[in-house]
Amino acid sequence: DTEVTQTPKHLVMGMTNKKSLKCEQHMGHRAMYWYKQKAKKPPELMFVYSYEKLSINESVPSRFSPECPNSSLLNLHLHALQPEDSALYLCASSQVGQGVHSPLHFGNGTRLTVT
Amino acid sequence: DAKTTQPPSMDCAEGRAANLPCNHSTISGNEYVYWYRQIHSQGPQYIIHGLKNNETNEMASLIITEDRKSSTLILPHATLRDTAVYYCIVGEGGGADGLTFGKGTHLIIQP
Repeated sequence: DTEVTQTPKHLVMGMTNKKSLKCEQHMGHRAMYWYKQKAKKPPELMFVYSYEKLSINESVPSRFSPECPNSSLLNLHLHALQPEDSALYLCASSQVGQGVHSPLHFGNGTRLTVT
Repeated sequence: DAKTTQPPSMDCAEGRAANLPCNHSTISGNEYVYWYRQIHSQGPQYIIHGLKNNETNEMASLIITEDRKSSTLILPHATLRDTAVYYCIVGEGGGADGLTFGKGTHLIIQP
């Protein structure tokens, strides 16, 4: 079990569907992250939220829309995805602040299949 | 560009020390070395980090060379549950910048 909870664990969606991935942490962390991981590849950073504001968008296509409704929750809204977007989507959180070297705490991810 | 270089795979016998090398020759003065591992079907797990001094915790030891251009992660008594992909990452930390993962080393512990 991890302290970062992601739901659902598995998701199959069609290219015309709209779905959302959810991530929750109760460690008081004020930075939250979305990563994408293709099979046999390392995780790739997508988005970073710091104090509930989007601080980094790694040129992610607009069919992926992140949302941070409060300091404990992070969503990733999906619309009009392509089959090549099938991957493991990982959420992480950390403390943030000058001089703070907080490790990232990862959830176990949502395995997404786009058909 | 990759900031770190690791061997793609390594084997180690159960009960022996596993020594995982990492080259980071372009590391800057304010960058830390972080190690994470990813067991199959799980999210990455933080192991240890350091700046220039050697570090030890309950999971592992981190040895950083004096010139900081390379480091070694040591798992003192490897078990089958240590089979995973190990990632060596350099970054400034502190702020919410995220971490950039390289390709990592797939460590296989043999019974």
